[in-house]
Amino acid sequence: AQTVTQSQPEMSVQEAETVTLSCTYDTSESNYYLFWYKQPPSRQMILVIRQEAYKQQNATENRFSVNFQKAAKSFSLKISDSQLGDTAMYFCARYSGGGADGLTFGKGTHLIIQP
Amino acid sequence: GAVVSQHPSWVICKSGTSVKIECRSLDFQATTMFWYRQFPKQSLMLMATSNEGSKATYEQGVEKDKFLINHASLTLSTLTVTSAHPEDSSFYICSARMDSSSPLHFGNGTRLTVT
Repeated sequence: AQTVTQSQPEMSVQEAETVTLSCTYDTSESNYYLFWYKQPPSRQMILVIRQEAYKQQNATENRFSVNFQKAAKSFSLKISDSQLGDTAMYFCARYSGGGADGLTFGKGTHLIIQP
Repeated sequence: GAVVSQHPSWVICKSGTSVKIECRSLDFQATTMFWYRQFPKQSLMLMATSNEGSKATYEQGVEKDKFLINHASLTLSTLTVTSAHPEDSSFYICSARMDSSSPLHFGNGTRLTVT
C-alpha cells in the first residue's frame, strides 16, 4: 500500500513562533500531488496548500510554506508567525493525478498554539 | 468558488433503519466524488469513489450493499447507510473535484449516530 506518514501525533508551540510539521510518503508514480489540509474542531476540511510533484519550487501561501524534497519523498509544512486560529488537526495527503483515486491521508498532527 | 454542500450535518437514527446523506457541488461540475469515514481522533479513510453515471468503486473492506452510493448527476452524490447499526456511528465526509488535476473540496461532514 502506498502510504503517507506523519510522525508527530501532537505538537504545541507558543503564539507567533514558527512550527514545522513533517510528512513522508510512498509512491511509485512519477506525477502526483501533495496537500496539507487543516481540520479545526468544526471538522471542516480546509485546504492549506498544495504542491505538484513536477514543480521544483516549493509552494507558499502567506504564512504557510512547504519544504518538498522529492528524492526523499518528504513534504513538510512550515507555519510562520503562528496564530491561535491555527490550532487544529493537520493532515498531509497525496494523490496521483489522472486517475479516479481519492486522497490518501496521513494520521494527522494535532497542532496546539498556546497564547 | 468550489463549494461542496453536505446534508444533513448530523443525524440520529434507530438501529435497523436506513439513512441517506447528500453531497452537492454547488458551483462546479464534479465528475468524481469521494466518500470518507472518520472515527474520533483518527484520519479520514476512503470508503468509495463515485463517478457520475457509473457504479461506485469501493475500497477493500467496505460493504457495497451496506453503503449504497448513487452519483445521479454531475452535482449530486448520495450515500445511503442501510440497516444501520451502532458500529456505523461515525463522521462521514464527502469531497468532489472538477478534474483529475484539481484539489478536492470537502463538504462539512455528517455526524451519524445510530442508537
